[in-house]
Order: sequence, then structure tokens, then C-alpha cells
Amino acid sequence: EVQLVESGGGLVQPGGSLRLSCAASGFTFSNYWIHWVRQAPGKGLVWVSRINSDGSSTSYADSVKGRFTISRDNAKNTLYLQMNSLRVEDTALYYCARAEGGFSYGSLDYWGQGTLVTVSS
Amino acid sequence: QPVLTQPPSASASLGASVTLNCTLSSGYSNYKVDWYQQRPGKGPRFVMRVGTGGIVGSKGDGIPDRFSVSGSGLNRYLTIKNIQEEDESDYHCGADHGSGSYFGEVFGGGTKLTVL
Repeated sequence: EVQLVESGGGLVQPGGSLRLSCAASGFTFSNYWIHWVRQAPGKGLVWVSRINSDGSSTSYADSVKGRFTISRDNAKNTLYLQMNSLRVEDTALYYCARAEGGFSYGSLDYWGQGTLVTVSS
Repeated sequence: QPVLTQPPSASASLGASVTLNCTLSSGYSNYKVDWYQQRPGKGPRFVMRVGTGGIVGSKGDGIPDRFSVSGSGLNRYLTIKNIQEEDESDYHCGADHGSGSYFGEVFGGGTKLTVL
């Protein structure tokens, strides 16, 4: 069974940092692109970042470029999102999601349950 | 990059049918769109991908036959027949975009489906 489990969320002050993790199981993690998508309370889905199967290619939404860094450890079947210079508007539930078929353009066919990040003073 | 537009809400009676719409912005009529279901308090769940020719690939795990898709021009539709209580969810559409300065997913604002 494919599973994605996010962790690392919490309450942080503006300007602070947080590292999210996404532990994968039930599939060959190293074969797939993985994305981060966030959802502010009561709002829609917003794409954040993605990384290719071996970690050599990444892309980011303009709103987080230069502040967030996506990475992965295929030996540990884990995806990360390092978030620096956090802003109040980064408050959201953060999901990791797998792209189908090992392609960057694949549908996001499996999602985790999310981890909540709250940025507030 | 494309803009995906969804009506914020829809409703349908138990056992009836409903069609949800996702409209691509002009110039993106060749784009495929993914539909996702999000039940209250849960993470999104992949439903299926749709292009102008209909479904692309396979449905997501456990998606019943009551769910179908179609596409025409800039519109991508998700139809649910014989609506059940468990279909009450937010439905999001999304599309992959990879050119210029943007390489990533674009999502619509979501449609909240209420089962009456």
C-alpha cells in the first residue's frame, strides 16, 4: 500500500525556520517525482515545489523561491522541505504528493494527510 | 501559466447527478486536467485525468464507476451519477505547466459539493 506521511509542522514565529519531512512506503521511492502542495485554512490547493527522482532537478512557486528548499534522501525514502524566512502567509497544511508514472507531468496520484505549519507571533 | 476557474459551490440531491466544471484560460485548450476529491478533514485523492478526448489513463484507486469525465474546448468536466452521501467533498482541478518561468502545478479554487 502506497503511503506518504508528513511530519515536522508546528508553530513558528515570523522569520523563523522549519523542516518538513515526508516518509514514503509501499513503492520504489527513488523512481518518482514528488511534490509539496499547501492549503491555507479554508482555501484551495497551492503548488509549492517539486523534485525529480534523483534529486538533481527542482522547481518552486515564485512565492517561496529563495526561501524554501526541497530535497530528498532516497536511501531513507524521505522527502524534505526546508522553510526559512517564514511569513504569516505561509501558514497552511502542507501535503506531499507523488507524481504518477515517474514523470514530472504525472497526475498526483497519492497524497499524504498533511502537516500543519502556523506562522504567528 | 494557465488559470483554472471553478465555481465555488454546487449541490445535488441524493441519487441525482451533477457535473462540475473546470475552465482553462484562453490559449490552453490542449491541456489535460486532473480532478481531485477532498473529503472534510482529509488529504486530496486523485480521481482521474481528462483531456478533450475524455479520460486519460486510469481512474484513481477506489474511484467508483459513477464518476466520469469529459472535455470540450477550454472546459473539463467531472460528472457524478447516483450521488451518495460520501461524495460530499471539495473537488479540485489541477494542470501541469512546464514552460517559460513556471514549471509546476496550477490548481483551480475548488468546488464544494453539497449533497442534499
